[in-house]
Amino acid sequence: NAGVTQTPKFQVLKTGQSMTLQCAQDMNHNSMYWYRQDPGMGLRLIYYSASEGTTDKGEVPNGYNVSRLNKREFSLRLESAAPSQTSVYFCASRDISNQPQHFGDGTRLSIL
Amino acid sequence: DAKTTQPNSMESNEEEPVHLPCNHSTISGTDYIHWYRQLPSQGPEYVIHGLTSNVNNRMASLAIAEDRKSSTLILHRATLRDAAVYYCILLNSGYSTLTFGKGTMLLVSP
Repeated sequence: NAGVTQTPKFQVLKTGQSMTLQCAQDMNHNSMYWYRQDPGMGLRLIYYSASEGTTDKGEVPNGYNVSRLNKREFSLRLESAAPSQTSVYFCASRDISNQPQHFGDGTRLSIL
Repeated sequence: DAKTTQPNSMESNEEEPVHLPCNHSTISGTDYIHWYRQLPSQGPEYVIHGLTSNVNNRMASLAIAEDRKSSTLILHRATLRDAAVYYCILLNSGYSTLTFGKGTMLLVSP
């Protein structure tokens, strides 16, 4: 079972470059989420999509955009990368409220 | 949002039981108590959740205080693979987002 798949696993960008992080789930889940995790910290929610066709801001949305392409895929875009966005990015999905979230293995992003 | 308080770190020996505490004195009646863990260099992994009654699954047990102001995650026999950061999170039934704190780093010695 693939679960939640994130691509790429690692990426190095220069300041000002743009990039899209991809996330796909094969569990037919309704909700999908993007988090970032800085060293020594817990995860912080960037954006989420409660269902196909909807997206909402989380705790730290500035500098990011998202697209819920279909029920399976939820992408995160950095239009103009900044060093402060160096982090590990996790995508997650969930079927219905109060069911567990399933996480991908993360994308490690460094911005120079 | 109701907050949780966990110790920064705990240590255990392999094959011994581990009790990870979580305080949530401002919990509301509709808040579920969720536990996730994060192994090194991996995404978080669901462990267990409950509302009022104690819960058991293949990974762990969750003991919830009668007043629901605290809970304890119990690993019955710690293994080296259980070394991780454990997060206690309150989730209101009407909302769908998790708020992660810093969690408890569990160190397991052979």
